[in-house]
Amino acid sequence: KNQVEQSPQSLIILEGKNCTLQCNYTVSPFSNLRWYKQDTGRGPVSLTIMTFSENTKSNGRYTATLDADTKQSSLHITASQLSDSASYICVVSAGVGNNRKLIWGLGTSLAVNP
Amino acid sequence: EAQVTQNPRYLITVTGKKLTVTCSQNMNHEYMSWYRQDPGLGLRQIYYSMNVEVTDKGDVPEGYKVSRKEKRNFPLILESPSPNQTSLYFCASSLGGPGQGPQHFGDGTRLSIL
Repeated sequence: KNQVEQSPQSLIILEGKNCTLQCNYTVSPFSNLRWYKQDTGRGPVSLTIMTFSENTKSNGRYTATLDADTKQSSLHITASQLSDSASYICVVSAGVGNNRKLIWGLGTSLAVNP
Repeated sequence: EAQVTQNPRYLITVTGKKLTVTCSQNMNHEYMSWYRQDPGLGLRQIYYSMNVEVTDKGDVPEGYKVSRKEKRNFPLILESPSPNQTSLYFCASSLGGPGQGPQHFGDGTRLSIL
């Protein structure tokens, strides 16, 4: 069964600190993996998309890694800011061509406190 | 500005009263979809459309209808809303098919069915 699991479920850190969010997946066949940021009351916004051959991708202070062998991804946030408080959702695309399907994780809720 | 626009943003209505949530995108995207987001369940796809006049069921289509008469618009119709359809709804669009390019989301419509 295609599944995406994220940990931790929630996290509280102090402003300026770094943190790492985890995503484990059991999806076949794998197409790509995305991380989205969802602010409270807003729609998700894409941070990164990684294919099988990419193992690191950065978007400003956000760096995503992918280990296709262990089927794990992480999102590292550097020098956190109050505006990083949001839910971070890992999404894996499974299948090929127009038969692809997105498998959504439940997200990690991050709170950055001053 | 590239965007996905949903209306209304909030709606409280009663069981059985037909309603339509509109969605419009200005990016000339072929692929559009509707999701609902519920606590503990994450985002679940309701319907999607690969292009004009091409729509298909997602994971939770019961009680919903959609249409795609124009490329930019993808309304979600609840013919006879029930309380279990109380949820936060998101419309999304992307250039490629499912699982290809990043999806752009609207800001959501919060529906309460009494």
